[in-house]
Amino acid sequence: SQQGEEDPQALSIQEGENATMNCSYKTSINNLQWYRQNSGRGLVHLILIRSNEREKHSGRLRVTLDTSKKSSSLLITASRAADTASYFCATDARGAQKLVFGQGTRLTINP
Amino acid sequence: GAGVSQSPSNKVTEKGKDVELRCDPISGHTALYWYRQSLGQGLEFLIYFQGNSAPDKSGLPSDRFSAERTGGSVSTLTIQRTQQEDSAVYLCASSLVSAGQFSEAFFGQGTRLTVV
Repeated sequence: SQQGEEDPQALSIQEGENATMNCSYKTSINNLQWYRQNSGRGLVHLILIRSNEREKHSGRLRVTLDTSKKSSSLLITASRAADTASYFCATDARGAQKLVFGQGTRLTINP
Repeated sequence: GAGVSQSPSNKVTEKGKDVELRCDPISGHTALYWYRQSLGQGLEFLIYFQGNSAPDKSGLPSDRFSAERTGGSVSTLTIQRTQQEDSAVYLCASSLVSAGQFSEAFFGQGTRLTVV
């Protein structure tokens, strides 16, 4: 099964609300990354958090990492219609020697 | 180039034909990935190249799929005797690897393959 698994699979909220997506993984990691995908094409890197970091911010994005629970969350504050996309987490698992992506969360922001 | 380039952008082929998909990674990136994504689904790992190491082919779905990476740069994914279930978007990504850790992956825009 996938190293990273996102939860929920789909999320629909009103514009202006905050959106939270979670990622769980199974083995020790070097880092965990979040990506966004619009319209089923290429993914765009959002943020990378290292295993020794607990929280990271980038604009309206906030990522947390709990290595004891092997989980991460992505929070998007004050959501906008343009945030509608699929969001994926990817883990750089120790020993895996490649990035492993989860199945993604489909986020819909309703105007 | 400025980013990862994939060609063609779209490909329609008849069942049973062979197809070649091309990926030009960012210059200097030693890691190169191929993924497949069916409509509304997640990313399916296909194959991974890292420097001069033997590629990780563990995700290739059948022996009709193969890939090569020449000179540590351009990669070609070949699908022989295409089937309708091969229809998907094929994504290529490249990244730097430093001290055994992976930096962010840069994705191409993908090739949408339709087998009719």
